[in-house]
Amino acid sequence: GQNIDQPTEMTATEGAIVQINCTYQTSGFNGLFWYQQHAGEAPTFLSYNVLDGLEEKGRFSSFLSRSKGYSYLLLKELQMKDSASYLCAPMDSNYQLIWGAGTKLIIKP
Amino acid sequence: GAVVSQHPSWVICKSGTSVKIECRSLDFQATTMFWYRQFPKQSLMLMATSNEGSKATYEQGVEKDKFLINHASLTLSTLTVTSAHPEDSSFYICSARSILAGDYNEQFFGPGTRLTVL
Repeated sequence: GQNIDQPTEMTATEGAIVQINCTYQTSGFNGLFWYQQHAGEAPTFLSYNVLDGLEEKGRFSSFLSRSKGYSYLLLKELQMKDSASYLCAPMDSNYQLIWGAGTKLIIKP
Repeated sequence: GAVVSQHPSWVICKSGTSVKIECRSLDFQATTMFWYRQFPKQSLMLMATSNEGSKATYEQGVEKDKFLINHASLTLSTLTVTSAHPEDSSFYICSARSILAGDYNEQFFGPGTRLTVL
C-alpha cells in the first residue's frame, strides 16, 4: 500500500530551526512535494524534489533520499506566521499526490 | 501566475438540496483538475480526477451519482453535491495541473469551499 509517516505535531521557538521528517511508501515515484497549510485554508506549494539531495529556497530547504523513502523540510529563522501544518506529498507512478495528515507546527515566542 | 479560484468560498444549505462549486484556472490551461475533501484535522482525501472533455475518475468509496463533476473546458471544472446531507459538510478543495509539461506536474490549489449542510 501507499502511506506517509510524519510527526503529528511539533513545537519550536521563534527564530530557531526545525526539521520535519517524512517517510513514505508509494507505487512508483515521480517526485515529492511539500505544502504548507494554514488552518481553514488550502495548501500552498513550498518545494519539490525529484532527485536526491537538498533543495534550498530562502528560509526553507527540502531534502530527499529516494533509496530510503525519506524526506525532510528544514525551516530556518522561524517566524510566528510559520505556524501551520506541513504536508509531505509524494507523487506516485500515476502522477497522483499521496497525502498524509501532515505535521502541525506550533511556533512559540 | 498559476492562480486557481473557487466559488463560492463558503456555503450553507439545507439537507436535501444540491450545491454547485466552481473551480477555475485563471491564468493557465489545466488538462487535469482534482477535487479533494478535507475533514477537520484530517488529511486531504482525493475524491476524483477530471480531464477536460472526458468523464471524471472517482476514487473508491466516492459516489459518482452524488458528486457530479463536469470539466467542460480547460479552465473550468464544477463539482455538484446532490441531495446534500449533514455528513457532506466539509472543506472541498480543487487543484489544477497545468497543460505545460515543464511545470513538473505541480498541482495548483484553489482556496477551498467550506460547505455546511444543516
